[in-house]
Amino acid sequence: DGGITQSPKYLFRKEGQNVTLSCEQNLNHDAMYWYRQDPGQGLRLIYYSQIVNDFQKGDIAEGYSVSREKKESFPLTVTSAQKNPTAFYLCASSTASYNEQFFGPGTRLTVL
Amino acid sequence: GNSVTQMEGPVTLSEEAFLTINCTYTATGYPSLFWYVQYPGEGLQLLLKATKADDKGSNKGFEATYRKETTSFHLEKGSVQVSDSAVYFCLRGETSGSRLTFGEGTQLTVNP
Repeated sequence: DGGITQSPKYLFRKEGQNVTLSCEQNLNHDAMYWYRQDPGQGLRLIYYSQIVNDFQKGDIAEGYSVSREKKESFPLTVTSAQKNPTAFYLCASSTASYNEQFFGPGTRLTVL
Repeated sequence: GNSVTQMEGPVTLSEEAFLTINCTYTATGYPSLFWYVQYPGEGLQLLLKATKADDKGSNKGFEATYRKETTSFHLEKGSVQVSDSAVYFCLRGETSGSRLTFGEGTQLTVNP
């Protein structure tokens, strides 16, 4: 089955530690995205990538980093510089020429 | 810039009631319009879409019509079920692809 996966579903980390969230897709999509969702709120764009080895900052990139070494994978690192990292993180992908996005199931990160 | 304004929630209805969730968008360019649904603890799923004026998107009893004259894309369903309880997001996508603009989301609760 084609789709987009995120792992793990729940992640706990101590304050000050970097943590990497996984996102993999087998839809052959060129573009991938990372969003953050806080309770009762909409989604905010962290980073996006339209092609391998290239990515752009979204609206709230500070304290986050990404890489896009393979078309299928777009991992997100939440660094210790992110002041309030506890949130629900969603990854999405789309074709380059059409903007309907397919979302993964999300990772809930809790920093203790 | 581009924006999407959604009806504020939460919305609480009884089973079999009629649902309308309002959505308006800024009248710039020729966006595609989407409704996504998010069930508790999950990612977003595409509910329906419309790519040009007067298009009607429909799925699972939900409908929305792309109205250029009123810059609206209101979501409707004639008879809601308890299983429709979720958060609904209205989005616009630009013709050049990549980024989507999200509404804030509307929480719907349907009581038996």
